[in-house]
Amino acid sequence: AQSVTQPDIHITVSEGASLELRCNYSYGATPYLFWYVQSPGQGLQLLLKYFSGDTLVQGIKGFEAEFKRSQSSFNLRKPSVHWSDAAEYFCAVAIMEYGNKLVFGAGTILRVKS
Amino acid sequence: EAQVTQNPRYLITVTGKKLTVTCSQNMNHEYMSWYRQDPGLGLRQIYYSMNVEVTDKGDVPEGYKVSRKEKRNFPLILESPSPNQTSLYFCASSLRTSGADEQFFGPGTRLTVL
Repeated sequence: AQSVTQPDIHITVSEGASLELRCNYSYGATPYLFWYVQSPGQGLQLLLKYFSGDTLVQGIKGFEAEFKRSQSSFNLRKPSVHWSDAAEYFCAVAIMEYGNKLVFGAGTILRVKS
Repeated sequence: EAQVTQNPRYLITVTGKKLTVTCSQNMNHEYMSWYRQDPGLGLRQIYYSMNVEVTDKGDVPEGYKVSRKEKRNFPLILESPSPNQTSLYFCASSLRTSGADEQFFGPGTRLTVL
């Protein structure tokens, strides 16, 4: 069955430090992968997406993600975290057999300490 | 402004009292979907629609109904709400049913069933 695993429920980093959020997926076909961010009390905002081509994708707010097919991973990175990055982050894979269904991971809550 | 709107944003109700959460998009999108978000589980798809009069079950459809009589609207109906339907609900839409299409999410509806 298709699934997305985000191994870290909570991560705390210092402001200015680098960040990596992990995501592993299980999907038989070529995956379409996404990272969304949800600020407290807000909806979901798309950070970036991978469809094909270059395995390193750039997104908004200085985020990037690298697709590694051999590891079934799509980790999200940022070189220097800002206090405003504190939020919950969701990795998702699109399941084409059901139209445009997204299967989400459980989320990772990022805390930024000053 | 292109957007997905949901109403109400917050709702407290009692067990068994029928309710409807409305969802509307102004982008002429074909695909619409409902998700529920629960702590530690991420977002899970309830129902989806590939076009007018075409709807199908997602991963957690029990206790919910939907309809798609017009392209822009996709209401979520809880005929007899129960406490286990207390959750945060998101409506989403995309231009087509391709996994490559970005999904746009509404602001969410927080439902409490007592």
